[in-house]
Amino acid sequence: DAGITQSPRHKVTETGTPVTLRCHQTENHRYMYWYRQDPGHGLRLIHYSYGVKDTDKGEVSDGYSVSRSKTEDFLLTLESATSSQTSVYFCAISEYQTVGAGYTFGSGTRLTVV
Amino acid sequence: AQSVTQLGSHVSVSEGALVLLRCNYSSSVPPYLFWYVQYPNQGLQLLLKYTSAATLVKGINGFEAEFKKSETSFHLTKPSAHMSDAAEYFCAVSGNTGNQFYFGTGTSLTVIP
Repeated sequence: DAGITQSPRHKVTETGTPVTLRCHQTENHRYMYWYRQDPGHGLRLIHYSYGVKDTDKGEVSDGYSVSRSKTEDFLLTLESATSSQTSVYFCAISEYQTVGAGYTFGSGTRLTVV
Repeated sequence: AQSVTQLGSHVSVSEGALVLLRCNYSSSVPPYLFWYVQYPNQGLQLLLKYTSAATLVKGINGFEAEFKKSETSFHLTKPSAHMSDAAEYFCAVSGNTGNQFYFGTGTSLTVIP
């Protein structure tokens, strides 16, 4: 999607290794989110950020950490990857925290933990 | 708390037939409702949204949805399916002070030629 880029697009990693996914935006939006998408579960929020160095946990945050040192970048780190973290990860951005704005999503990162 | 339920994880329609994807919501506050579409290997794209204005909302690609408070529903419809409509569709709800959306589990739409 225009204005939001995720990298890498695909990654295969081994169990126990750390992994960092990057979300980069050019929209100067304040709010950024990391979701994971799994069959039968839809999208579930991992972490979100409401400003530089301001982050909070979502419903499935265990095993994940995030950092946001600049407005445009939001990093998701799997401290020690497990097979249960095999998923498609989506970053989203929004200009307003509350209603009506909707989110803009990146194209996703497909992560496989072997 | 807010949540959404999408009835039917898979829906198949013939090309040219009516598309009806069901979404029911639960919300303790006036909800804001959204439909997103996801094409293969892509991110989610906003189709339409309800934010307490008109109850019948028109979106992109000929889709529309009607907010029915009495039925707590926000079903997505399109009069005539096109092959290009084949995708995954997600309903989502947000409260008026929400810092996140709550997504349904998705409905995969297949269009049969």
